[in-house]
Amino acid sequence: DVVLTQTPLSSAVTLGQPAAISCRSSQSLVHSDGNTYLTWLQQRPGQPPRLLIYKVSKRLSGVPDRFSGSGAGTDFTLMISRVEAEDVGVYYCMQPSQFPHTFGQGTKLEIK
Amino acid sequence: QVQLVESGGGVVQPGRSLRLSCAASGFTFGSYDMHWVRQAPGEGLEWVARISYDNSKTYYPDSAKGRFTISRDNSKNTLYLQMNSLRADDTAMYYCARDSWGPDMWGQGTMVTVSS
Repeated sequence: DVVLTQTPLSSAVTLGQPAAISCRSSQSLVHSDGNTYLTWLQQRPGQPPRLLIYKVSKRLSGVPDRFSGSGAGTDFTLMISRVEAEDVGVYYCMQPSQFPHTFGQGTKLEIK
Repeated sequence: QVQLVESGGGVVQPGRSLRLSCAASGFTFGSYDMHWVRQAPGEGLEWVARISYDNSKTYYPDSAKGRFTISRDNSKNTLYLQMNSLRADDTAMYYCARDSWGPDMWGQGTMVTVSS
């Protein structure tokens, strides 16, 4: 199974400052079709998850442009350029490419 | 608008069965693969099952294989999860999600509690 390891597991960030979350995969996530299917999801307290980023770096419609994804192969990063209060929650990376699909452990983002 | 609404959760004794439903609206249900994902209280997300858009393929992690069955009725725009031989560690919020290069649309979830 593909193991996704996120770091850090928690982060306290000052409003307006950047935040970065890393997701490292135990195997390459390059699919046989040539695409890399790594997604990032946000889960606000008491809410279902919400997809932010798919295929490593593509923002879902309606997601603020302060969220960006990057990476390749086995190393991926979610960046929030300027953290806002509404960004508090848990962030997960997930790979929907290989079976079984797997999630990272989650990174809890708080405001300092 | 695009919506997924889960139902069928509740309290069930260990060893019993439960069937969850997910009603889809606002999009062409039969064009998308669908997932079930669960989240135990205070824990992270765990993928439970996936079904192809045309009902031809299903996929499960080892934890669900042999006990859970995902299915769909495209004429009713509804996704199902049949769960048998339930255990205490199946206690979780169960979400259905649409797949579009990843789970891009999620329902609010239905809670399943396995307890005697």
